[in-house]
Formats: sequence, structure tokens, C-alpha cells
Amino acid sequence: GDSVTQMEGPVTLSEEAFLTINCTYTATGYPSLFWYVQYPGEGLQLLLKATKADDKGSNKGFEATYRKETTSFHLEKGSVQVSDSAVYFCALSDRSGNQFYFGTGTSLTVIP
Amino acid sequence: DVKVTQSSRYLVKRTGEKVFLECVQDMDHENMFWYRQDPGLGLRLIYFSYDVKMKEKGDIPEGYSVSREKKERFSLILESASTNQTSMYLCASRRGLQETQYFGPGTRLLVL
Repeated sequence: GDSVTQMEGPVTLSEEAFLTINCTYTATGYPSLFWYVQYPGEGLQLLLKATKADDKGSNKGFEATYRKETTSFHLEKGSVQVSDSAVYFCALSDRSGNQFYFGTGTSLTVIP
Repeated sequence: DVKVTQSSRYLVKRTGEKVFLECVQDMDHENMFWYRQDPGLGLRLIYFSYDVKMKEKGDIPEGYSVSREKKERFSLILESASTNQTSMYLCASRRGLQETQYFGPGTRLLVL
């Protein structure tokens, strides 16, 4: 069945470092892909999404490109801030929209 | 802005009690979801609802039931709470298939 695998954390970076959180997926057909962020004590918020191959989602300096050839949707940011400390979830929605799968989450801590 | 609210942020119940978790969304969304979030397991879907009075089992429905009598409200019921149901419960809604899911802030439930 469909699934999402993301890199395990926790990840600790210094402020202004480059961030990559890997996400790969398994799916039949052409899913939509998402990154959600969960700040401490809060629910999940959509960070960005891509609905077809080669689409790039971007928001708040974060980017992810839907790569069909490598079945990946890696999250990147060029210069992280302390305020980016959160848990990041990669997610997949199948074409029908009936199924939605989340990765296990990657905790990011950014230190000054 | 879409707003999804959950009735409690923190809840403490005793084993065997009947527990109601309420979720309300204010954007006339068709679909609503209940997840539980546990460390290392990410989000797992308990139940979802495509429309009023409709419900579908997710990946882990055992020990739970749901009710959707009105479009804006989706309730999760633990008929007889057990300690292994201690978790963070997240409600989400979306306008329709292929649309983004919007999450509530979560209810952290402790069953003693």
C-alpha cells in the first residue's frame, strides 16, 4: 500500500544552517504530497504542498520539489531560525483523496 | 482563516470511563477526521467522515466510535477508556477530496 518514510530525528542545527529533511514515498498512481509543521503544544499546520511531478511547493523560506523519478519530496531551507524549531511531517494523499498517510515526524531544534 | 477547535486541550480520565472528544469546524467542510499521535508512530487515522451521518473506519478504529450529526461537528467517543488510549488526539477537516486538511490544536488525553 501507499506509505511515507521520512528521516528520523531529532535534528539539531545552529541558527542560519542549511536544513534538509528527507522524505520518500511509495504510491500507486500520482499522489499529492505535503509538508506539515507542528509547533510545541499546537496542532499541525500545512507548510507547503505539491500536487504533480516537478511541482515545487514553497512557504516561509521552505521548499520541496515533487520528484517522481526518485519518489521523493525532501524539505529544504537555506537558513534556519530558532523559530523553526518544531516537528515536521511529510504526508501523502492518494489520487482519490480517500487515503492520507503521514510520516512519523522529524523533530528539529535550532540553537542560537 | 479556517478554524478547527477541539473541546479540551488536556483531559484526565479513569479506566472504564466513557470519554467524548468534540471537534468543530467553521468553514462548512465536507470531510472530517480523527487521528491519534504517538511518539515514533506519527499520526494514525482512527475514523473519518465524508458527510453528515457518514463515517468510515481508519487504520485503528478499535475501541473508538464517532458521531457526526451536524456538518460542523465530529465527535470521537471512547466507550470504555483504557490506559493504552492515552495519547494526543487531533481532529482535522477539509473542504473535499484532494483539498488540504486543517488541524485543530489537539487534545492530550491521559487515562489513569
